[in-house]
Amino acid sequence: AQSVTQPDIHITVSEGASLELRCNYSYGATPYLFWYVQSPGQGLQLLLKYFSGDTLVQGIKGFEAEFKRSQSSFNLRKPSVHWSDAAEYFCAVGAPESSASKIIFGSGTRLSIRP
Amino acid sequence: GAVVSQHPSWVICKSGTSVKIECRSLDFQATTMFWYRQFPKQSLMLMATSNEGSKATYEQGVEKDKFLINHASLTLSTLTVTSAHPEDSSFYICSASVLGPRETQYFGPGTRLLVL
Repeated sequence: AQSVTQPDIHITVSEGASLELRCNYSYGATPYLFWYVQSPGQGLQLLLKYFSGDTLVQGIKGFEAEFKRSQSSFNLRKPSVHWSDAAEYFCAVGAPESSASKIIFGSGTRLSIRP
Repeated sequence: GAVVSQHPSWVICKSGTSVKIECRSLDFQATTMFWYRQFPKQSLMLMATSNEGSKATYEQGVEKDKFLINHASLTLSTLTVTSAHPEDSSFYICSASVLGPRETQYFGPGTRLLVL
C-alpha cells in the first residue's frame, strides 16, 4: 500500500521569498502524485499532478514540483510567494494499479506568510 | 469545468438525529465518488469509496451502518450520518472522479457538521 509523509507541520516564509514544501512517498513502483491546497474552511484545489513523463511538473498559481525517484520525493516549489499563498498544503499519492482513483493524503503543511 | 458541490455547507443538529449531506458533480458524470472526514488541523481521512449503482466500499474502522452512502446517479452521492453524536462533529468533504486511476479527484467545498 502506498503512503506519504510531509515532514514539515508548519512553515513560515517572508512574502517574496522562495518556498519548498517537502513530500516523501512510499510505494513499490512509480505512483501517481498530487499536490492540493486548502484555504481555511474550504475544500481542496488541485495544484498539480504527476503521472509519468517529465519529472518537473508545472501547476497553477506559479507552483511546480519535481518527482525524484531516487529520493522518493515530490517537493513543491514556488520562486516567490504571495500573501494569498497562506494555506494548508497536502501531498497525495495514488496507486496506478488501482481500478479507482483512490489516493492517500499526507498530514499537510501549514504555510504562513510573513509580511 | 469539473465542479463539485456539497449541500449543506453548514449543519447543526441535536444528538440522536440523522443528517444527510449531498455531493453533486455539476458538469461531469462521476463514476466514482469519495467521502472524507477531516478533523481540525488534521489531514483528510478517506471514509469510503462509492461507485454509481453499487454498494460503497468502506475503509477500515468506518462504521457502514453509521455512515450510510448512496450513489444513486452519476452526478449525486449522499452521506447520511445516522443517530449523530457530538463525536461525529467534523468537516466532511466529498470528491468525484471519472473511472480510472489516472483520473483526478475534484473536491467539493466541504460540509461542517456540529452535533450538539
